[in-house]
Amino acid sequence: AQKITQTQPGMFVQEKEAVTLDCTYDTSDPSYGLFWYKQPSSGEMIFLIYQGSYDQQNATEGRYSLNFQKARKSANLVISASQLGDSAMYFCAMREATSVQGAQKLVFGQGTRLTINP
Amino acid sequence: GAVVSQHPSRVICKSGTSVKIECRSLDFQATTMFWYRQFPKQSLMLMATSNEGSKATYEQGVEKDKFLINHASLTLSTLTVTSAHPEDSSFYICSAQPGQPFSETQYFGPGTRLLVL
Repeated sequence: AQKITQTQPGMFVQEKEAVTLDCTYDTSDPSYGLFWYKQPSSGEMIFLIYQGSYDQQNATEGRYSLNFQKARKSANLVISASQLGDSAMYFCAMREATSVQGAQKLVFGQGTRLTINP
Repeated sequence: GAVVSQHPSRVICKSGTSVKIECRSLDFQATTMFWYRQFPKQSLMLMATSNEGSKATYEQGVEKDKFLINHASLTLSTLTVTSAHPEDSSFYICSAQPGQPFSETQYFGPGTRLLVL
């Protein structure tokens, strides 16, 4: 069974500082994908970044980067120059195949609540 | 691009009634759609996976007769909570995975908050 672990229930960071949100995963599949989503208080899930297990380079999307340490099975999210609008829940997720042909479901971690202080 | 809508955003109903929630992919075709449930201060839990034109695949512990899923087209999936009870009160959120071209990413709708009195 696959598992996602986010060990930080809450993080408090000063505006403009960088922040790292931790995520470790456990899988025996050689092919997997890792995602980060942001969930503000409104509830919507906003896709931030994706890393494939075979990708040679760490994924980056604007202020977001994923520090992928394959041997350690970690996929930490780094947010540079944090902004007040970054305050939200952040979920790490891993895809796994389902019995439905071509479908891949996501398994989510417990999330980290990030608060950016002015 | 990759916008998913969900309707209604919030619903309050009486115990014993049925509630239908719609999930639409607005600018792409979704071969596969997913339905998740999220209780307060908890993570998302997958309820079921559906492919267009076929029966949904339910996760262990999810009652298929209670949570009816219909994936009628490549842009629409519906979840009907039948004979709702207070314990069904939750945040229901759908996601859609683009099929043409295929994408690794699931895009989520804004969610539906269900309160059963």
